[in-house]
Amino acid sequence: DSGVTQTPKHLITATGQRVTLRCSPRSGDLSVYWYQQSLDQGLQFLIQYYNGEERAKGNILERFSAQQFPDLHSELNLSSLELGDSALYFCASSLRLAANTGELFFGEGSRLTVL
Amino acid sequence: GQQLNQSPQSMFIQEGEDVSMNCTSSSIFNTWLWYKQDPGEGPVLLIALYKAGELTSNGRLTAQFGITRKDSFLNISASIPSDVGIYFCAGQNYGGSQGNLIFGKGTKLSVKP
Repeated sequence: DSGVTQTPKHLITATGQRVTLRCSPRSGDLSVYWYQQSLDQGLQFLIQYYNGEERAKGNILERFSAQQFPDLHSELNLSSLELGDSALYFCASSLRLAANTGELFFGEGSRLTVL
Repeated sequence: GQQLNQSPQSMFIQEGEDVSMNCTSSSIFNTWLWYKQDPGEGPVLLIALYKAGELTSNGRLTAQFGITRKDSFLNISASIPSDVGIYFCAGQNYGGSQGNLIFGKGTKLSVKP
């Protein structure tokens, strides 16, 4: 158990809909990262937050947005969903801003299926 | 952006065999890392490498940070069934405000008892 909690574990929805994925980082971790894992693309970095502020952006679509709240939990919002958005979405956390040990602690992921 | 080429994509081996996988990049990294993802779980860090040429072991696992800083390999000796999973290499350039890892596409390992 990494200490990172993600909900929901599974989500099935239709094209055009909007969903929110939630992440609670490990106790004491200030930095939260979102990754998308699809079959042919591996783990793609989406976005990073540190202590409530956005600090780095990766291949995140404009239809996607995220935020980190004062209690440090984070939400990833996916809107106008398309079939290609079906993937496993991981949240990870680290204590420091730059995770300079390279150790991110990953949650178990939220599997999104868009029909 | 930076990309990592990880090979092989998949491996089917017999229990007891040794395994070797590698990762190459067109650009250099300050840190190379190897993660393992068990089925239904998130990735877990196996080994982190911080210096070019560094060779590090973790039990039956050995990884090296390439001297050019553009590659890394992971070896698993005497594989066992619980080694099954997807192994990811990851590169990191930290400093400033960013700490995001760039991951390879993974090597899926299957071990036949």
